[in-house]
Amino acid sequence: QVQLQESGPGLVKPSETLSLTCSVSGNSITYYYWSWIRQPPGKRLEWVASSSYVGSTDYNPSLMSRVTISIDTSKNQFSLNLMSVTAADTAVYFCARLYSSGKFDHWGQGILVTVSS
Amino acid sequence: EIVLTQSPGTLSLSPGERATLSCRASHTVTSNYLAWYQQKPGQAPRLLIYGAANRATGIPDRFSGSGSGADFTLTISSLEPEDFAVYYCQRYGTSPQITFGGGTKVEIK
Repeated sequence: QVQLQESGPGLVKPSETLSLTCSVSGNSITYYYWSWIRQPPGKRLEWVASSSYVGSTDYNPSLMSRVTISIDTSKNQFSLNLMSVTAADTAVYFCARLYSSGKFDHWGQGILVTVSS
Repeated sequence: EIVLTQSPGTLSLSPGERATLSCRASHTVTSNYLAWYQQKPGQAPRLLIYGAANRATGIPDRFSGSGSGADFTLTISSLEPEDFAVYYCQRYGTSPQITFGGGTKVEIK
């Protein structure tokens, strides 16, 4: 059974960097693509970034200048860094497995990150 | 950028009724790479349908997907109490790779 679990700070100050980690169990991270998706309170889902274990990455163009996704195969984890955050980056951040044909078939429970001083 | 427009925004129905949800893309969705998700409050989305018409593992057969090109539909044949939730469509393609629709809330009438 594949399980994903997000971790990281729940509060980040404006202009700082948001850093989150997703721990994957039940499945080697050396298969599939792995992704971050976010959802501001009361709003729609927004895809942030995806990566394969060999480092093939893809980013949402609206966030590309500020975001980095990386994979640590030794820990079976992947991470998200989002620089220069503002209140607009306040959201629940989900990590997910991106399967072939573009479906997210396994999700973490999500972590609320609030940007506030 | 491909935009996905879902309608209606809210659907008010009673248990046992049929729900029909629409997802319209601003351009053709390549290879029918279109998925549907169910999301309940405080939970992560749950994959229902992928490839426009294929049910995900463990999804009851009252859920069905159809459509092609730029017009897609999710149908719930007979609503169960646990089906009242928000439903999102999502496409996979190129630049940006992935987009989601705005969601349809199915609420109890």
